Amino acid sequence: DTEVTQTPKHLVMGMTNKKSLKCEQHMGHRAMYWYKQKAKKPPELMFVYSYEKLSINESVPSRFSPECPNSSLLNLHLHALQPEDSALYLCASSSGQGASNEKLFFGSGTQLSVL
Amino acid sequence: GQQVMQIPQYQHVQEGEDFTTYCNSSTTLSNIQWYKQRPGGHPVFLIQLVKSGEVKKQKRLTFQFGEAKKNSSLHITATQTTDVGTYFCAENSGYSTLTFGKGTMLLVSP
Repeated sequence: DTEVTQTPKHLVMGMTNKKSLKCEQHMGHRAMYWYKQKAKKPPELMFVYSYEKLSINESVPSRFSPECPNSSLLNLHLHALQPEDSALYLCASSSGQGASNEKLFFGSGTQLSVL
Repeated sequence: GQQVMQIPQYQHVQEGEDFTTYCNSSTTLSNIQWYKQRPGGHPVFLIQLVKSGEVKKQKRLTFQFGEAKKNSSLHITATQTTDVGTYFCAENSGYSTLTFGKGTMLLVSP
């Protein structure tokens, strides 16, 4: 079972809606991530937070807005999304030491549909 | 991050047959990680290889890292239906950057 918890598991929203995805971990990890995964594709990195500061933004459109309130929580605020944004959104965490041998722990994801 | 190429894209085997997926890079990899994603699930870390020529085993799974650290393979002996899923290789190049291969989807018929 994953130790990274994501809510909601499923979300359907219109293009004018504002919604938020939530992620929580209690492993003491200091790096947290948002990935986007389309069907039959690998996960694509969106954002990385390291020690609660945004360290990587992979040129993600501003309609996606990440937030890291504390070391255990990560949010992704969604506004004015497009149908092509429909995907599985995965949160992950790692110890955050910055070494190249860190393994990622993924949450179960939020399956997002934009109508 | 650099590209890691993964083949095959898809493989369908009969239960009991062996299965291998390969990852290749044009440049030297610092390390390679392998993840498994079950249908409808999320990626789960399997293993990490760091040293040139490294071989690691987990029950029926054998992971290899090439001598030049430019390729890696995952071999499953005598597949079972529980092995169904997509297997991804990924390079962690540090600074919290994980670059995934395209994955190999494994189907196992009973």
